[in-house]
Amino acid sequence: SAVISQKPSRDICQRGTSLTIQCQVDSQVTMMFWYRQQPGQSLTLIATANQGSEATYESGFVIDKFPISRPNLTFSTLTVSNMSPEDSSIYLCSVVRRDRLTEQFFGPGTRLTVL
Amino acid sequence: GQQLNQSPQSMFIQEGEDVSMNCTSSSIFNTWLWYKQDPGEGPVLLIALYKAGELTSNGRLTAQFGITRKDSFLNISASIPSDVGIYFCAGDMNTGFQKLVFGTGTRLLVSP
Repeated sequence: SAVISQKPSRDICQRGTSLTIQCQVDSQVTMMFWYRQQPGQSLTLIATANQGSEATYESGFVIDKFPISRPNLTFSTLTVSNMSPEDSSIYLCSVVRRDRLTEQFFGPGTRLTVL
Repeated sequence: GQQLNQSPQSMFIQEGEDVSMNCTSSSIFNTWLWYKQDPGEGPVLLIALYKAGELTSNGRLTAQFGITRKDSFLNISASIPSDVGIYFCAGDMNTGFQKLVFGTGTRLLVSP
């Protein structure tokens, strides 16, 4: 599997602030995704991070709230903007490798708590 | 968003027992994936299934892709304490965009 790192691993933030989460992969991948996992829940896809263009968002998620960048094939960021306690979740990036196109591999996640 | 129905929601078993969990959907999927998530970690891919009826093993794990393409099951034989975690199924409709829909999860606890 690809080696995927996320920064920060966890953070505690104040309401109304923003946090940018980074995802770095050790090899070139075709696709990168961002997921949210609310406490005790399953994973929900936020968006597909497209290299060099705007991300593709799923229903219920908007760019103003979750701006995403992907400047190259191995790096992406997700920003959680104007946070509220309801944004407290684990945020995970996942990737699809060029040689394993039907499988997704996940990063370790960023645990966000909003006070 | 759409979710797959996974059962049971949780299981508490003795070490050495076999475990079975399944995942059902109202929609057809062309790929089924099974993941395990440990506390504080991201999900780790266990098994991938690509064809209806396919039965695939990975060590003590066996998974099958249902004939109707609307369900899948995962079996764990001779469970050990490190099998503890949350197991998720995930389906891919193969729209070309590799978007996964996740199951609700099965929490497994193993007593030594």
